[in-house]
Amino acid sequence: DAKTTQPTSMDCAEGRAANLPCNHSTISGNEYVYWYRQIHSQGPQYIIHGLKNNETNEMASLIITEDRKSSTLILPHATLRDTAVYYCIVKYSGAGSYQLTFGKGTKLSVIP
Amino acid sequence: DAGVTQSPTHLIKTRGQQVTLRCSPKSGHDTVSWYQQALGQGPQFIFQYYEEEERQRGNFPDRFSGHQFPNYSSELNVNALLLGDSALYLCASSLARGGPGQPQHFGDGTRLSIL
Repeated sequence: DAKTTQPTSMDCAEGRAANLPCNHSTISGNEYVYWYRQIHSQGPQYIIHGLKNNETNEMASLIITEDRKSSTLILPHATLRDTAVYYCIVKYSGAGSYQLTFGKGTKLSVIP
Repeated sequence: DAGVTQSPTHLIKTRGQQVTLRCSPKSGHDTVSWYQQALGQGPQFIFQYYEEEERQRGNFPDRFSGHQFPNYSSELNVNALLLGDSALYLCASSLARGGPGQPQHFGDGTRLSIL
């Protein structure tokens, strides 16, 4: 699975959009991009995933560049409850690759 | 629609003991994965069970073993506990038959403390 690079930490003002970047320059064509977040003392929460196209759900939007070498998770209106560590994970979709490999993630602090 | 449930939520054991942790997958899911998360670190993959068999294993010793039952629930067993086994143990479920890219959904874990 391709390696990802994320900033260690970010701040965002409450009510503003939070844009979390992720670099995955060695991604291959059959690898998906997944985003999870982990709020203190809870398990990781699935947010969104995508392969090539941009995706949106009730939690967030995922923007993947055309060359697929980077992506951005967008929380449109950040609240204090969005303060968490956000993990960007790239994972092969085929047989034989079943684990999620977590890096250090980005600690997002939403500030009142 | 129940999510992934794990029991117990907290557990205290002493060195050398054995422990069993339990996981019920999200409704409709058929695959269970286990992860270990040490304090301040990201989760580390232990193994995954599908069709009652272990189908992938991470870099963990044989002291860590598991089981999946016909109803898709799972257990994680750890023998001869060491102080270093103190961690949050996470269970994640997914649907293997749902096609490629299906995400894993996590429970809130069991906090295991070894004295």
